[in-house]
Amino acid sequence: QVQLVESGGGVVQPGTSLRLSCVASGFTFTGYHMHWVRQAPGKGLEWVGVIWYDTSNTYYVHSVEGRFSITGVNSKNTMYLQIKSLRADDTAVYYCARGPGSSPSFSDYWGQGTLVTVSS
Amino acid sequence: DIQMTQSPSSLSASVGDRVTITCRASQGISNYLAWYQQKPGSVPKLLIYAASTLQSGVPSRFGGSGSGTDFTLTISSLQPEDVATYYCQKYNSAPLTFGGGTKVEIK
Repeated sequence: QVQLVESGGGVVQPGTSLRLSCVASGFTFTGYHMHWVRQAPGKGLEWVGVIWYDTSNTYYVHSVEGRFSITGVNSKNTMYLQIKSLRADDTAVYYCARGPGSSPSFSDYWGQGTLVTVSS
Repeated sequence: DIQMTQSPSSLSASVGDRVTITCRASQGISNYLAWYQQKPGSVPKLLIYAASTLQSGVPSRFGGSGSGTDFTLTISSLQPEDVATYYCQKYNSAPLTFGGGTKVEIK
């Protein structure tokens, strides 16, 4: 069955960096785009970015461009989200999600999420 | 960027009621619209994609319609297990913006 497992969250200080991981199983990783979506405590969903199925392209929400970077290692069925210069408003649960189709798409499977808390 | 506006932001209805949630895009997005359900403390779940296609395993009381800028999610007969927040998302092009959410409660 499809499984997505995020890791790497925790309590971090403002201004530092963090790398989140998403390990996929149960499907052919190279056949799907992969998304990051975040949710601040008590708030709605915010799409963060996507990496193409072949890692050739990435797209981000404008508010994180330049600080967030999505990479993928297809041989490890793993996607990463590198976050630089963390700010308090980056505090959120970060979900990875699978996107079917040949172009940016909706997300049909989601991981359980990893919580990032930015606090001094 | 295209903005997605959901209404209402919350609603309370009785079991068995027909519930309608709307999602409006600031520009046309054809039918590149998905709906998700997020129950309290849980991960979002895909309900509908392509504006009206029901995801496998989703109860038939859920339905979607619309095209262009105006979309609707309908629950034909509200059940207690439908208590959740519902989100629309456009996916015609990046950024794949979500609506602000609609919280559905039982009266």
